[in-house]
Amino acid sequence: NAGVTQTPKFQVLKTGQSMTLQCAQDMNHEYMSWYRQDPGMGLRLIHYSVGAGITDQGEVPNGYNVSRSTTEDFPLRLLSAAPSQTSVYFCASSPRQVGNQPQHFGDGTRLSIL
Amino acid sequence: KQEVTQIPAALSVPEGENLVLNCSFTDSAIYNLQWFRQDPGKGLTSLLLIQSSQREQTSGRLNASLDKSSGRSTLYIAASQPGDSATYLCAVRPSSGYQKVTFGTGTKLQVIP
Repeated sequence: NAGVTQTPKFQVLKTGQSMTLQCAQDMNHEYMSWYRQDPGMGLRLIHYSVGAGITDQGEVPNGYNVSRSTTEDFPLRLLSAAPSQTSVYFCASSPRQVGNQPQHFGDGTRLSIL
Repeated sequence: KQEVTQIPAALSVPEGENLVLNCSFTDSAIYNLQWFRQDPGKGLTSLLLIQSSQREQTSGRLNASLDKSSGRSTLYIAASQPGDSATYLCAVRPSSGYQKVTFGTGTKLQVIP
C-alpha cells in the first residue's frame, strides 16, 4: 500500500526554469492538496482539488499551476522558478467523506532555486 | 482568517515525564482538528483526529482534547520516550471550505534519555 507518492525527493533549479512536481495516491481519494513548508511558517496551502477536473487556489497560489485529469494524480507546476519558491513541498490526500478521516501526506519534495 | 498557534515552539524534557503540547485557534467554526508528527526530513504522520463534536481522542500514550468554544486543543503524551522526539503539528479543518486546512507552526519536542 503505497499511499501518497511524491517525486522527485530533491531538486535544484536555476531561476527561471520550469518543472513539475509529481504526486500520486492509490487510495482512491477525491481530495488532494499541495502545501509548502517554510521555516517558522508551518504548512501553507498552495492549491487543492476536490475531484478530477476540479481545482482551486489556496493561500499562496501565485507562481504555481495545477491540474487534475485523474483521481490518482495531482501534479504541481512551477512556471518560472524564483528563489522565493525554495521550500519543501508536500502533497496530501483525503476521502470526500472527511468526517473522521485523516489527511495522508507524502514524504515531500525538497526544492532549491538558485 | 483562521490563525493557529502552537506554544512553545520548542520543548525539552527528561525521559519518562508526562507532557502537554498546546494548540490554539482563532475561529471556532471548525470541522475537525488533527495532530501530526513530523520527523526531520520526513513527511507528516497523523496521530489523532478529533471531530468538532468530540472532546477527546486517545491512542496508546497519546490523548488529544478539544475545547472548541475556547479555541484550544492539547496533546498529552504520557511517559515520554526518546523516540517521541519530533515536531508536533496541529491542523484545523474549517466547517465550510473543507480543503482550506490551516496548520500551526509546530512544537519541536526533544526527550532526553
